[in-house]
Amino acid sequence: DGGITQSPKYLFRKEGQNVTLSCEQNLNHDAMYWYRQDPGQGLRLIYYSQIVNDFQKGDIAEGYSVSREKKESFPLTVTSAQKNPTAFYLCASSIDPGSAAEAFFGQGTRLTVV
Amino acid sequence: AQSVTQPDIHITVSEGASLELRCNYSYGATPYLFWYVQSPGQGLQLLLKYFSGDTLVQGIKGFEAEFKRSQSSFNLRKPSVHWSDAAEYFCAAGLYGNKLVFGAGTILRVKS
Repeated sequence: DGGITQSPKYLFRKEGQNVTLSCEQNLNHDAMYWYRQDPGQGLRLIYYSQIVNDFQKGDIAEGYSVSREKKESFPLTVTSAQKNPTAFYLCASSIDPGSAAEAFFGQGTRLTVV
Repeated sequence: AQSVTQPDIHITVSEGASLELRCNYSYGATPYLFWYVQSPGQGLQLLLKYFSGDTLVQGIKGFEAEFKRSQSSFNLRKPSVHWSDAAEYFCAAGLYGNKLVFGAGTILRVKS
């Protein structure tokens, strides 16, 4: 089955630690995205990548980093510089970044700082 | 600035009743428009999309949406709501070459 896989589903982080959220897709999509979701705020774009080895900051990139070494993979690192990382994180992909085409979403990772 | 507004944070309807969720957009040109649904703790699933052409769009699960350029709106409708429709609904918009912008979401509660 084609789709997007995010892991882990739940993640706990101690203050001051970096953590990495995994996102893998087998849809052969060029574009991939990371969103943060907080109650009542909808989805806010963290980073996006339109092609391998290239990515751009979204609206709330501070405290986060990404890489895009393979077409299938777009991991997100939440660094210790992110002051309020507890949230639900969603990864998405789309076939054509230029056409605002339909985005396919993973099942999300819930990150909690303990 | 480009924005998408969903005026209703929560909506409660009785099972079997009709539903309309509102969405307004603010863009310099007509964007592509989408409605997504999210069950608790899950990702988003696309219900329907509008790119051009017929302003009444049919989607999955019996949903439809109507694009009204004069009102900058893209409201989601369903004639008869089922208990399984309880979820959060997101409207989104985007222009060619630009990222999607999401509304804040509307939580739908269904009374039996």
